[in-house]
Amino acid sequence: DGGITQSPKYLFRKEGQNVTLSCEQNLNHDAMYWYRQDPGQGLRLIYYSQIVNDFQKGDIAEGYSVSREKKESFPLTVTSAQKNPTAFYLCASSTAGTGSNQPQHFGDGTRLSIL
Amino acid sequence: QKEVEQDPGPLSVPEGAIVSLNCTYSNSAFQYFMWYRQYSRKGPELLMYTYSSGNKEDGRFTAQVDKSSKYISLFIRDSQPSDSATYLCAMETGGFKTIFGAGTRLFVKA
Repeated sequence: DGGITQSPKYLFRKEGQNVTLSCEQNLNHDAMYWYRQDPGQGLRLIYYSQIVNDFQKGDIAEGYSVSREKKESFPLTVTSAQKNPTAFYLCASSTAGTGSNQPQHFGDGTRLSIL
Repeated sequence: QKEVEQDPGPLSVPEGAIVSLNCTYSNSAFQYFMWYRQYSRKGPELLMYTYSSGNKEDGRFTAQVDKSSKYISLFIRDSQPSDSATYLCAMETGGFKTIFGAGTRLFVKA
């Protein structure tokens, strides 16, 4: 079945530690996204990538980093510089087209907590 | 002011009721409008996707867009306990950035 796989489902971070969240898709989508979801707030965009080896900052990129070495994969690293990392992290993907839009499809998220 | 406003609820209805969920927005450039359903501890699932104004129906779900009022709605007919979830509206201008509402929690009581 085609879809987006996020792992792990739950992750705990110690003070001063970097952690990496995995996102893999087999939908052959060009664009991939990372969002953060906090209670009572809409999804906030962290980073997005339209093609391999290229990515752009979203609205809340500080304290996060990404890479896009393969079309299928878009890992997110939460660095120690992110002072409030506890949240539900969602990865999404969509087809990409100039001047057109396709809706995003989401994985089932990773819940990150601080130890 | 947020670009997209959505009442967080919770909204509680009896089984079989018609549910109306709504969002308002401020950016008149939005052209694509979506509704997602999110169950607890899961990712959002696309329910409806519409372009510009008008209605779209899919089974028990109807999406309405009124661009003149900057107002979108999702109607659920014959609501079921399995419809209990958080419903997120989303919209975009046609680029790569989608703006999401905060979500409305819906409870359908058996």
